[in-house]
Amino acid sequence: DAGVIQSPRHEVTEMGQEVTLRCKPISGHDYLFWYRQTMMRGLELLIYFNNNVPIDDSGMPEDRFSAKMPNASFSTLKIQPSEPRDSAVYFCASSTGYNEQFFGPGTRLTVL
Amino acid sequence: KQEVTQIPAALSVPEGENLVLNCSFTDSAIYNLQWFRQDPGKGLTSLLLIQSSQREQTSGRLNASLDKSSGRSTLYIAASQPGDSATYLCALLSGSARQLTFGSGTQLTVLP
Repeated sequence: DAGVIQSPRHEVTEMGQEVTLRCKPISGHDYLFWYRQTMMRGLELLIYFNNNVPIDDSGMPEDRFSAKMPNASFSTLKIQPSEPRDSAVYFCASSTGYNEQFFGPGTRLTVL
Repeated sequence: KQEVTQIPAALSVPEGENLVLNCSFTDSAIYNLQWFRQDPGKGLTSLLLIQSSQREQTSGRLNASLDKSSGRSTLYIAASQPGDSATYLCALLSGSARQLTFGSGTQLTVLP
């Protein structure tokens, strides 16, 4: 059974460019979460969806960040324009209900 | 706002030793508590989930306990092995928004 899939695994871009991170949750899971991990702030929840609907986006740092979930098997997190302080590891996780969350391998983003 | 603290930040033990990792939290109105393992440069692996109504969970050499009244959880690792070396994170699901709040982790090194 495939776990949560994220792509790309690594992304290096220049300041000002658009970045799109992708996530495929575990089949059958109705909750999808986007997290960001940095040395300074640890793991932070950015946004989460239930049945493809955004429930809480209070963790999204700025209007430069946006997330979509067009269907139950795909979600994107977009940063436009990107800035060096956005450099971090971005994780996607999924769960059934408010139960055990399963994390993907993460996308390591470097903005130069 | 839920605050999660993990002490110590780092721990080094010889192989074969039993050890306890600590997690404390400020808001006892939680839905569940999850312990994760994170290897360097990797994603998070779920180890154990304790529901709010439970006192402990066991998986192999791992045993996690939950005491809501004192705001504490412990992760007990029996007969530690070098392969147990990783960062261990506790996370609590709480609040009206049902957000998962993470501690900063304990970096464990098991020496052969």
